[in-house]
Amino acid sequence: NAGVTQTPKFRILKIGQSMTLQCTQDMNHNYMYWYRQDPGMGLKLIYYSVGAGITDKGEVPNGYNVSRSTTEDFPLRLELAAPSQTSVYFCASTPTGYGYTFGSGTRLTVV
Amino acid sequence: AQSVTQLGSHVSVSEGALVLLRCNYSSSVPPYLFWYVQYPNQGLQLLLKYTSAATLVKGINGFEAEFKKSETSFHLTKPSAHMSDAAEYFCAVSFNNAGNMLTFGGGTRLMVKP
Repeated sequence: NAGVTQTPKFRILKIGQSMTLQCTQDMNHNYMYWYRQDPGMGLKLIYYSVGAGITDKGEVPNGYNVSRSTTEDFPLRLELAAPSQTSVYFCASTPTGYGYTFGSGTRLTVV
Repeated sequence: AQSVTQLGSHVSVSEGALVLLRCNYSSSVPPYLFWYVQYPNQGLQLLLKYTSAATLVKGINGFEAEFKKSETSFHLTKPSAHMSDAAEYFCAVSFNNAGNMLTFGGGTRLMVKP
């Protein structure tokens, strides 16, 4: 199994540009999550989903949007990139909530 | 407010020495607790988890953690550090009964000196 796959691994955006971070899992997990990781700040939850068609905001949702049209995919959309969105983004999934499986991350720089 | 606190953002030990990484949480409800490890430029890997079974939990790579409800702590230990243990470690707690919403501590970077 591939587990949780994130693309791209690295990206540089200019201020005001848009992009979508892709996340796919092949484990048939219902729960999926997007986190951002900033140095010394741990992980902050951006959005999460409890199943296809259901999403909800986490701790730091401003500037981001998500959709969950299938069980496998949970893309994260940045509409107007800002320097404050420079971070490492992790997608994760779990079947019942007991222990997440994380992707390898996307390192995003906004200049 | 529910929170997870990891004492010490950086911990340095000598190879062969005891590793102790501290995690405290705030909650009146017995939570589900996890430790994750993150090696450089990688995602987080589950090290161990406590889900209301034995209070002493054994994980991978010789790590273990003890849940102490009275102290609201879940410290991570390893008797003898190895160079390959150098990484960042995150404590995470689920404050709901379903265990599907984790709150993460700020992380502790473990450095191992030869």
